Amino acid sequence: QKEVEQNSGPLSVPEGAIASLNCTYSDRGSQSFFWYRQYSGKSPELIMFIYSNGDKEDGRFTAQLNKASQYVSLLIRDSQPSDSATYLCAVLNTGGFKTIFGAGTRLFVKA
Amino acid sequence: DTGVSQDPRHKITKRGQNVTFRCDPISEHNRLYWYRQTLGQGPEFLTYFQNEAQLEKSRLLSDRFSAERPKGSFSTLEIQRTEQGDSAMYLCASSLVAGGLFDEQFFGPGTRLTVL
Repeated sequence: QKEVEQNSGPLSVPEGAIASLNCTYSDRGSQSFFWYRQYSGKSPELIMFIYSNGDKEDGRFTAQLNKASQYVSLLIRDSQPSDSATYLCAVLNTGGFKTIFGAGTRLFVKA
Repeated sequence: DTGVSQDPRHKITKRGQNVTFRCDPISEHNRLYWYRQTLGQGPEFLTYFQNEAQLEKSRLLSDRFSAERPKGSFSTLEIQRTEQGDSAMYLCASSLVAGGLFDEQFFGPGTRLTVL
C-alpha cells in the first residue's frame, strides 16, 4: 500500500464545473495535509493546507479532511482552464519530520 | 529574486560519472529538502536538513547519494557513479518551521539530470 494514494486521472471537467480530487493516506498519526498544484514543466506550489477534520475554504478551493477515514479531498468550484494542472496531495508524517507526496491527479478543464 | 534557486538547471552526464547539484534556499528558512521526481510521479523524498543537521535520509537512497548543508545555508546533493536510473528532476525545497503543524515548502525550479 502506498503511503499517499491519488487517482492519477486525467480528470476532465467543463469550464465552470466543480472538480473533485481525492486522496487517501496510510499513516494514521499524520497531522497535516497539503494540496500542491504543479503546472507542466514547473515546480509544485502550495494552494491549500488543512489539519482539522471538516472543511476549509479559500476562494474557489475547499479542502476536506476526514481523519477517521484517512481521506483528504480538494474541491475546485467554477473551474477555469487555468486550473488545468497536476494536483499533488501531501501528508506530513507522524512526528512532523517528513512530507510524503502522492503521485498526483492530472486535471483538465475544457473551455 | 528571493526564491529558492538551483544550479545547474540541466545536467547531462555519462554513466559512472559523479555529479553535484546546488540549492540556495530562501534566506531565513531553516528547513531544506531534496526530492526526486520522475514523469507522472509526485516528488519522492530523499533527505532533509534542519539548519545544518541532516535529520532524515530516505531508506530508498543508496550510498551513492550524499547531501550536505554547511553552516545551514546552501546545500549540495552529490550522486556518485551515476546510473541511467538516476535520470530525473531533482527538486529542492525550503521552509520556515517554528514548531506546530504547518510546513509550507517553497520549491526551486529543479535540476534535470540525464544519464546517458
